[in-house]
Amino acid sequence: GAGVSQTPSNKVTEKGKYVELRCDPISGHTALYWYRQSLGQGPEFLIYFQGTGAADDSGLPNDRFFAVRPEGSVSTLKIQRTERGDSAVYLCASRLAGDSYNEQFFGPGTRLTVL
Amino acid sequence: AQSVTQLGSHVSVSEGALVLLRCNYSSSVPPYLFWYVQYPNQGLQLLLKYTTGATLVKGINGFEAEFKKSETSFHLTKPSAHMSDAAEYFCAVSDLGNDYKLSFGAGTTVTVRA
Repeated sequence: GAGVSQTPSNKVTEKGKYVELRCDPISGHTALYWYRQSLGQGPEFLIYFQGTGAADDSGLPNDRFFAVRPEGSVSTLKIQRTERGDSAVYLCASRLAGDSYNEQFFGPGTRLTVL
Repeated sequence: AQSVTQLGSHVSVSEGALVLLRCNYSSSVPPYLFWYVQYPNQGLQLLLKYTTGATLVKGINGFEAEFKKSETSFHLTKPSAHMSDAAEYFCAVSDLGNDYKLSFGAGTTVTVRA
């Protein structure tokens, strides 16, 4: 079946601009996660959705970052007033609810470059 | 808070040689532990996981890992490296709370010499 998809695969923007990154989880997966992977580092947690609600947004670095999942499937990560330090690969993962063994399936990521 | 330490950011092995990637974690409770592999320009793929039960875990592509609680380690091994094993490997620990978010190590890049 189809895996997690993310669009765009690459996004180049200028400092100060607004960007939106999209994630399509595996059908039926109610748990959705966003992570950020900076160059040379492991992914870092940003936000977790259970259904439509953000159950844990403790990883969002500041209020320029926001994410939504209005219908409990597709999620959009929104970054306002982008800064060069926001350049990274943004990864999305989904998990089947009730899976206590917690296998998260990852998308290929969106590489964001802020010039 | 949980954390993961991967010893060695780069490992180079000869084809056919043993692959050993080290991972140590800190956790106040028995965690769930994972190894993921990332090939260039691709997403993370689960290699194997430890949740409960047998401490020696077998994964895909001939990899295995052993959970050692006394050493707080979860080292990844493969007896004989193949050229296709060249990739970046991440060890991760899961928060057993309601969100199960993953905390990753910094990663180890494996190169395989012919």
